[in-house]
Amino acid sequence: AQSVTQLDSHVSVSEGTPVLLRCNYSSSYSPSLFWYVQHPNKGLQLLLKYTSAATLVKGINGFEAEFKKSETSFHLTKPSAHMSDAAEYFCVVSSSAQAGGYNKLIFGAGTRLAAHP
Amino acid sequence: EAQVTQNPRYLITVTGKKLTVTCSQNMNHEYMSWYRQDPGLGLRQIYYSMNVEVTDKGDVPEGYKVSRKEKRNFPLILESPSPNQTSLYFCASSTGLALNGGYNEQFFGPGTRLTVL
Repeated sequence: AQSVTQLDSHVSVSEGTPVLLRCNYSSSYSPSLFWYVQHPNKGLQLLLKYTSAATLVKGINGFEAEFKKSETSFHLTKPSAHMSDAAEYFCVVSSSAQAGGYNKLIFGAGTRLAAHP
Repeated sequence: EAQVTQNPRYLITVTGKKLTVTCSQNMNHEYMSWYRQDPGLGLRQIYYSMNVEVTDKGDVPEGYKVSRKEKRNFPLILESPSPNQTSLYFCASSTGLALNGGYNEQFFGPGTRLTVL
């Protein structure tokens, strides 16, 4: 079965310092992986996605993530946090037809990022 | 503007009173899905539809119904709502499979916050 584990439920950073949100996944097949962001009282917005092309994926707002198959990880990083980055972030794996699903998104529990001055 | 719309955005109802949450997309997407979001659980899939008249259960389908009579619309029906269905609901749509075999991103609606008393 496929699953996603976000290792931190809350992360707090100072503005201008690096951000690291950790994600590990479990999949028997080559996964598609995503990071979504949810700002307070808003819907979900795609930050970036990995679909078996380059392992280092760049997304919007300066975020990037690196797919590491040997570590089954897809950590999200940003060199310098901004106050506007405060939100909840979801690591997501897309279930494949081989795994018994079709375009089903399996969400991690989420990491709430707080950025303070 | 390409978007997924949901109505209503907020709804307070009582146990047993049938309700429908509408979802519509204007991107000609074949795939649509409903999720519920609960604290600490991320998003969980309720039902999905691969195309018109094709629907299937997700992870938490009990107590819900869906229909897909038109490509653009995918309403979520609660025949007899109960307090454990109090949640934040998201509709999403996608083109499905990407050319490289991965999955395309899903576009999310703004969410419907449902409270069942």
